[in-house]
Amino acid sequence: QQQVKQSPQSLIVQKGGISIINCAYENTAFDYFPWYQQFPGKGPALLIAIRPDVSEKKEGRFTISFNKSAKQFSLHIMDSQPGDSATYFCAASNPNTGFQKLVFGTGTRLLVSP
Amino acid sequence: EPEVTQTPSHQVTQMGQEVILRCVPISNHLYFYWYRQILGQKVEFLVSFYNNEISEKSEIFDDQFSVERPDGSNFTLKIRSTKLEDSAMYFCASSADLAGGETQYFGPGTRLLVL
Repeated sequence: QQQVKQSPQSLIVQKGGISIINCAYENTAFDYFPWYQQFPGKGPALLIAIRPDVSEKKEGRFTISFNKSAKQFSLHIMDSQPGDSATYFCAASNPNTGFQKLVFGTGTRLLVSP
Repeated sequence: EPEVTQTPSHQVTQMGQEVILRCVPISNHLYFYWYRQILGQKVEFLVSFYNNEISEKSEIFDDQFSVERPDGSNFTLKIRSTKLEDSAMYFCASSADLAGGETQYFGPGTRLLVL
């Protein structure tokens, strides 16, 4: 119930292409869905986040698509660049109960080839 | 830009030894967290801390672990008697509040290696 499932485990995309990472959850009490980006040797950094009252959120080249009925959300990186090469984690939390305990997905290692 | 800092960046210790990992959260933040990441695996929640007490902890956070905010700036994680399986990257995070500031800001981590 507390798990967030993430796929794919790794992804190789050509420069300029679209990177798509998917996540699914079971706990309908989750109310906040952030995506974190992590470079080697660094801590996760918030990239973009969404609440379930909207189906899409866009910030620059990054878009979250959210499907509440399917309990799925995805990250789309448009015009992917080599600098986007990193590990991406989706996460979920229920602000009403868990003091923002983040439940993370297993991560996707993205490589954008030049 | 304010950031969460952690010391040390790396720590090597012998099994059974005590370690203290230190964090300085962002100064106006009120909620503090520790997470860990075993090499190549996902980030896992350990504990959250608010108003000088633990608000939630995971099954991982057993009696060997403790947290403390000894002064107005530091937030520490102590492992009393380290085990081999405690080897991981430990991240401290902080957030401003719950209502409008769900964003958790993570520090760069402390890589702990237990031999």
